[in-house]
Amino acid sequence: EVQLLESGGDLVQPGGSLRLSCAASGFTFSSYAMGWVRQAPGKGLEWVSTVSSSGFSTDYADSVKGRFTISRDNSKNTLYLEMNSLRADDTAVYYCTKDESGLSWDYWGQGTLVTVSS
Amino acid sequence: DIQMTQSPSSVSASVGDRVTITCRASQGISRWLAWYQQKPGKAPKLLIYVASTLQSGVPSRFGGSGSGTDFTLTISSLQPEDFATYYCQQANSFPHTFGQGTRLEIK
Repeated sequence: EVQLLESGGDLVQPGGSLRLSCAASGFTFSSYAMGWVRQAPGKGLEWVSTVSSSGFSTDYADSVKGRFTISRDNSKNTLYLEMNSLRADDTAVYYCTKDESGLSWDYWGQGTLVTVSS
Repeated sequence: DIQMTQSPSSVSASVGDRVTITCRASQGISRWLAWYQQKPGKAPKLLIYVASTLQSGVPSRFGGSGSGTDFTLTISSLQPEDFATYYCQQANSFPHTFGQGTRLEIK
Protein backbone atom coordinates (compact mmCIF):
# COMPACT_ATOMS: atom_id res chain seq x y z
CA GLU A 1 0.00 0.00 0.00
CA VAL A 2 1.37 3.39 -1.02
CA GLN A 3 1.79 5.74 1.91
CA LEU A 4 3.04 9.33 1.98
CA LEU A 5 3.51 10.84 5.42
CA GLU A 6 4.33 14.53 5.67
CA SER A 7 5.86 16.22 8.69
CA GLY A 8 7.46 19.50 9.63
CA GLY A 9 4.53 21.88 9.41
CA ASP A 10 4.50 24.55 12.10
CA LEU A 11 3.77 28.16 13.00
CA VAL A 12 6.60 30.38 11.78
CA GLN A 13 7.15 34.12 11.69
CA PRO A 14 7.30 36.05 8.40
CA GLY A 15 10.79 35.85 6.98
CA GLY A 16 11.43 32.56 8.74
CA SER A 17 12.35 29.13 7.42
CA LEU A 18 10.93 25.64 7.63
CA ARG A 19 11.70 22.22 6.19
CA LEU A 20 8.96 19.79 5.30
CA SER A 21 9.59 16.07 4.94
CA CYS A 22 7.58 13.32 3.30
CA ALA A 23 8.32 9.69 4.10
CA ALA A 24 7.24 7.37 1.31
CA SER A 25 6.54 3.65 1.39
CA GLY A 26 4.77 0.97 -0.58
CA PHE A 27 6.38 1.72 -3.96
CA THR A 28 9.81 2.04 -5.55
CA PHE A 29 10.44 5.65 -4.51
CA SER A 30 13.48 6.14 -6.73
CA SER A 31 11.45 5.36 -9.87
CA TYR A 32 8.97 8.23 -9.61
CA ALA A 33 8.99 11.98 -9.74
CA MET A 34 7.52 13.56 -6.63
CA GLY A 35 6.02 16.92 -5.83
CA TRP A 36 4.37 19.32 -3.45
CA VAL A 37 0.94 20.88 -3.84
CA ARG A 38 -0.48 23.40 -1.38
CA GLN A 39 -3.90 24.66 -0.40
CA ALA A 40 -4.44 27.90 1.46
CA PRO A 41 -7.31 27.90 3.97
CA GLY A 42 -10.63 27.83 2.13
CA LYS A 43 -8.91 28.09 -1.27
CA GLY A 44 -8.10 25.86 -4.21
CA LEU A 45 -5.10 23.73 -5.05
CA GLU A 46 -1.77 25.21 -6.15
CA TRP A 47 1.12 23.21 -7.56
CA VAL A 48 4.34 24.20 -5.80
CA SER A 49 7.22 22.08 -7.07
CA THR A 50 8.24 18.82 -8.72
CA VAL A 51 11.50 16.86 -8.61
CA SER A 52 12.49 14.13 -11.04
CA SER A 53 13.06 10.56 -9.93
CA SER A 54 16.83 11.08 -9.81
CA GLY A 55 16.59 14.45 -8.10
CA PHE A 56 18.56 16.19 -10.81
CA SER A 57 15.65 18.06 -12.37
CA THR A 58 13.36 20.43 -10.49
CA ASP A 59 10.55 22.85 -11.33
CA TYR A 60 8.90 25.53 -9.22
CA ALA A 61 5.86 27.76 -9.26
CA ASP A 62 6.80 31.39 -9.81
CA SER A 63 5.32 32.22 -6.40
CA VAL A 64 8.02 30.18 -4.62
CA LYS A 65 10.93 30.27 -7.05
CA GLY A 66 14.12 31.42 -5.35
CA ARG A 67 12.67 30.84 -1.88
CA PHE A 68 11.78 27.14 -1.83
CA THR A 69 14.01 24.16 -2.66
CA ILE A 70 12.72 20.68 -3.36
CA SER A 71 15.00 17.69 -2.90
CA ARG A 72 14.91 13.99 -2.23
CA ASP A 73 16.98 11.26 -0.64
CA ASN A 74 16.30 8.03 -2.51
CA SER A 75 18.28 6.03 0.05
CA LYS A 76 15.82 7.15 2.72
CA ASN A 77 12.65 7.21 0.55
CA THR A 78 12.11 10.78 1.65
CA LEU A 79 11.08 13.97 -0.12
CA TYR A 80 11.87 17.42 1.25
CA LEU A 81 10.77 21.01 0.79
CA GLU A 82 13.07 23.67 2.21
CA MET A 83 11.14 26.92 2.60
CA ASN A 84 12.89 30.24 3.23
CA SER A 85 11.77 33.86 3.40
CA LEU A 86 8.29 32.72 4.30
CA ARG A 87 5.39 35.09 3.78
CA ALA A 88 1.85 35.20 5.08
CA ASP A 89 0.55 34.02 1.71
CA ASP A 90 2.58 30.79 2.07
CA THR A 91 0.15 29.76 4.81
CA ALA A 92 -1.41 26.53 3.59
CA VAL A 93 -1.70 22.80 3.95
CA TYR A 94 1.18 21.28 2.01
CA TYR A 95 0.59 17.93 0.34
CA CYS A 96 3.28 15.52 -0.79
CA THR A 97 2.36 13.87 -4.08
CA LYS A 98 3.56 10.95 -6.18
CA ASP A 99 3.80 11.76 -9.87
CA GLU A 100 2.45 9.11 -12.22
CA SER A 101 4.69 9.51 -15.24
CA GLY A 102 3.97 13.22 -15.51
CA LEU A 103 0.31 12.58 -16.20
CA SER A 104 -1.19 13.18 -12.79
CA TRP A 105 -0.59 12.83 -9.07
CA ASP A 106 -1.96 9.43 -8.17
CA TYR A 107 -1.19 9.41 -4.45
CA TRP A 108 -1.31 12.22 -1.91
CA GLY A 109 -0.23 12.48 1.70
CA GLN A 110 -2.59 13.69 4.40
CA GLY A 111 -1.00 17.15 4.39
CA THR A 112 0.93 19.25 6.88
CA LEU A 113 -0.11 22.76 7.91
CA VAL A 114 2.28 25.67 7.58
CA THR A 115 1.16 28.90 9.22
CA VAL A 116 3.15 32.07 8.65
CA SER A 117 2.18 34.70 11.16
CA SER A 118 3.67 37.02 13.73
CA ASP B 1 1.13 29.93 -17.92
CA ILE B 2 -1.90 27.90 -18.94
CA GLN B 3 -5.07 29.03 -17.19
CA MET B 4 -7.71 26.46 -16.31
CA THR B 5 -11.31 27.63 -15.92
CA GLN B 6 -13.98 25.38 -14.47
CA SER B 7 -17.72 25.86 -14.69
CA PRO B 8 -19.88 26.02 -12.81
CA SER B 9 -18.14 27.12 -9.61
CA SER B 10 -20.85 25.35 -7.65
CA VAL B 11 -23.79 23.14 -8.46
CA SER B 12 -26.63 21.68 -6.46
CA ALA B 13 -27.96 18.28 -7.40
CA SER B 14 -29.85 15.32 -6.00
CA VAL B 15 -28.91 11.69 -5.54
CA GLY B 16 -29.43 9.93 -8.85
CA ASP B 17 -28.91 13.05 -10.98
CA ARG B 18 -26.48 13.26 -13.87
CA VAL B 19 -23.96 16.06 -13.42
CA THR B 20 -21.45 17.54 -15.85
CA ILE B 21 -18.55 19.82 -14.93
CA THR B 22 -16.54 21.55 -17.61
CA CYS B 23 -12.92 22.66 -17.68
CA ARG B 24 -11.44 24.96 -20.30
CA ALA B 25 -7.73 25.51 -20.89
CA SER B 26 -6.41 28.86 -22.12
CA GLN B 27 -4.41 27.02 -24.77
CA GLY B 28 -4.36 23.52 -26.17
CA ILE B 29 -3.17 20.79 -23.82
CA SER B 30 -3.89 17.75 -26.01
CA ARG B 31 -5.35 15.21 -23.56
CA TRP B 32 -3.06 16.02 -20.64
CA LEU B 33 -5.81 16.63 -18.14
CA ALA B 34 -6.65 15.05 -14.80
CA TRP B 35 -9.64 15.32 -12.47
CA TYR B 36 -9.51 15.15 -8.68
CA GLN B 37 -12.15 14.88 -5.98
CA GLN B 38 -11.65 16.48 -2.59
CA LYS B 39 -13.81 16.11 0.49
CA PRO B 40 -13.58 18.53 3.43
CA GLY B 41 -10.47 18.04 5.53
CA LYS B 42 -9.12 15.35 3.21
CA ALA B 43 -6.44 15.13 0.56
CA PRO B 44 -7.52 15.21 -3.07
CA LYS B 45 -8.13 11.89 -4.78
CA LEU B 46 -7.28 11.19 -8.41
CA LEU B 47 -10.35 10.22 -10.45
CA ILE B 48 -9.34 10.48 -14.10
CA TYR B 49 -6.12 11.08 -16.02
CA VAL B 50 -5.27 11.65 -19.66
CA ALA B 51 -8.73 13.17 -20.00
CA SER B 52 -10.70 9.93 -19.94
CA THR B 53 -8.77 7.12 -18.21
CA LEU B 54 -10.40 6.06 -14.98
CA GLN B 55 -8.01 5.63 -12.06
CA SER B 56 -8.05 2.15 -10.56
CA GLY B 57 -10.80 1.74 -8.00
CA VAL B 58 -12.86 4.73 -9.15
CA PRO B 59 -16.52 3.85 -9.82
CA SER B 60 -17.58 3.65 -13.46
CA ARG B 61 -20.26 6.32 -12.95
CA PHE B 62 -17.39 8.82 -13.32
CA GLY B 63 -16.39 9.63 -16.86
CA GLY B 64 -14.15 12.14 -18.59
CA SER B 65 -13.92 13.41 -22.12
CA GLY B 66 -12.37 16.12 -24.25
CA SER B 67 -9.14 17.19 -25.87
CA GLY B 68 -7.41 20.39 -26.84
CA THR B 69 -8.99 23.09 -24.71
CA ASP B 70 -12.39 21.74 -23.65
CA PHE B 71 -12.97 18.92 -21.19
CA THR B 72 -15.83 17.49 -19.17
CA LEU B 73 -16.26 15.37 -16.07
CA THR B 74 -19.57 13.56 -15.91
CA ILE B 75 -21.09 11.71 -12.99
CA SER B 76 -23.84 9.56 -14.44
CA SER B 77 -25.88 8.92 -11.29
CA LEU B 78 -24.91 10.86 -8.20
CA GLN B 79 -24.35 8.93 -5.01
CA PRO B 80 -24.26 10.45 -1.51
CA GLU B 81 -20.49 10.02 -1.30
CA ASP B 82 -19.97 12.09 -4.49
CA PHE B 83 -20.79 15.41 -2.86
CA ALA B 84 -17.40 17.09 -2.79
CA THR B 85 -15.26 19.63 -4.62
CA TYR B 86 -13.81 18.67 -8.01
CA TYR B 87 -10.67 20.10 -9.61
CA CYS B 88 -9.21 19.76 -13.06
CA GLN B 89 -5.44 20.01 -13.58
CA GLN B 90 -3.38 20.29 -16.75
CA ALA B 91 -0.23 18.20 -17.10
CA ASN B 92 0.83 19.54 -20.49
CA SER B 93 3.46 21.95 -19.21
CA PHE B 94 4.83 23.52 -16.04
CA PRO B 95 3.38 25.08 -14.00
CA HIS B 96 0.82 22.31 -13.67
CA THR B 97 -2.15 24.56 -13.05
CA PHE B 98 -5.46 23.62 -11.47
CA GLY B 99 -8.92 24.92 -12.13
CA GLN B 100 -10.53 26.91 -9.32
CA GLY B 101 -12.74 24.00 -8.29
CA THR B 102 -16.40 23.07 -8.58
CA ARG B 103 -18.33 22.48 -5.39
CA LEU B 104 -21.02 19.82 -5.78
CA GLU B 105 -23.69 20.22 -3.13
CA ILE B 106 -26.79 18.31 -2.17
CA LYS B 107 -30.04 19.90 -3.32
